[in-house]
Amino acid sequence: DAGITQSPRHKVTETGTPVTLRCHQTENHRYMYWYRQDPGHGLRLIHYSYGVKDTDKGEVSDGYSVSRSKTEDFLLTLESATSSQTSVYFCAISVGYEQYFGPGTRLTVT
Amino acid sequence: GENVEQHPSTLSVQEGDSAVIKCTYSDSASNYFPWYKQELGKGPQLIIDIRSNVGEKKDQRIAVTLNKTAKHFSLHITETQPEDSAVYFCAASYPNAGNMLTFGGGTRLMVKP
Repeated sequence: DAGITQSPRHKVTETGTPVTLRCHQTENHRYMYWYRQDPGHGLRLIHYSYGVKDTDKGEVSDGYSVSRSKTEDFLLTLESATSSQTSVYFCAISVGYEQYFGPGTRLTVT
Repeated sequence: GENVEQHPSTLSVQEGDSAVIKCTYSDSASNYFPWYKQELGKGPQLIIDIRSNVGEKKDQRIAVTLNKTAKHFSLHITETQPEDSAVYFCAASYPNAGNMLTFGGGTRLMVKP
């Protein structure tokens, strides 16, 4: 599992509420990623980080923000959750070209 | 940007038969092509990858082939077993600062005993 944990693993929240998902890694990898997975779309990149306080947008970044104040933690925030953000969220790290994924967080926005 | 298409979306085979999943990509600059296996309720697991300077790579019962001219690559699983049943994703990456991957839509493989 490349030393990646995600929390929470499941969350149900209401439309309009803020939500923060956490990704934690234990091996000091520089690059970290947040993806969302929806049926028929594979995995789509939301944001990624290439170091502490260094982040950039991915393909589907609207409505999401990220922060990385420590090497080991990468946070994904939905400032005001919407039903379209119901999804499974995966964090990943890269080792060279290779990316390794965490176990995922299932988020339901009602 | 890169676009990756994957076919078929579902594939059912008999145990012991071979399975082939195909992907095409759009950006000729892409140079890294991984394959992931995802079991129910788990994160994707990297099972094999290939770089653009190689045409084929094997690891036991799985192999990946790459045709750069046609911009397509394939996953081959031989002697399929029930535990091969999962969703498989292909991806492509072109040289970029973030090592970003673009994924195909996935193939659900069912191996019938």
